[in-house]
Amino acid sequence: DAGITQSPRHKVTETGTPVTLRCHQTENHRYMYWYRQDPGHGLRLIHYSYGVKDTDKGEVSDGYSVSRSKTEDFLLTLESATSSQTSVYFCAISESTTGNTEAFFGQGTRLTVV
Amino acid sequence: AQKVTQAQTEISVVEKEDVTLDCVYETRDTTYYLFWYKQPPSGELVFLIRRNSFDEQNEISGRYSWNFQKSTSSFNFTITASQVVDSAVYFCALSEGKFAYYGGSQGNLIFGKGTKLSVKP
Repeated sequence: DAGITQSPRHKVTETGTPVTLRCHQTENHRYMYWYRQDPGHGLRLIHYSYGVKDTDKGEVSDGYSVSRSKTEDFLLTLESATSSQTSVYFCAISESTTGNTEAFFGQGTRLTVV
Repeated sequence: AQKVTQAQTEISVVEKEDVTLDCVYETRDTTYYLFWYKQPPSGELVFLIRRNSFDEQNEISGRYSWNFQKSTSSFNFTITASQVVDSAVYFCALSEGKFAYYGGSQGNLIFGKGTKLSVKP
């Protein structure tokens, strides 16, 4: 199994509070991604990174920011959590762009915003 | 624009039946990649297969087989002699062949909405 660890695995937070989710990899892969999974929508890309300090927006980036100060860590921050951000969040890594190699996913973080 | 359609939201079969999960994709690129992932009830996403747009050979892996047809933009997945352990949500995904230093989509995965397969004993 690819070495991807997401933390926390579960979190309940209140509306308006900031939340940070962490993705840690031990594979030294260049590319990292954050997706959210919602019923009826499949997985949708939030942000991705193609190197240290190199990040860009995905399909559903509003309300989220990311940072990557080290190859192994990719942080997703909800600046002010809203109920619409209740979801399961998946981190993924790939050695090159996901066209050329498969992406491996973490176990997911279930976030509930109340 | 890229799009992946999995028209079957849920499928229920009895063990040992064969089942085919449909996937239709849209892309303007000539170079692209197609994937299938499995999400069992435990929630993790498990990579099953990757196929590039230049390789239309069908693939078989044990009870699993994949049929890629560019003419119909389809990449269907068949499970032969289904088992209860095959119960999961299956996702088809598409990635275009752009590279980071050329800009563009970075080859991100576009997922279909998934097909929930229930295999009953």
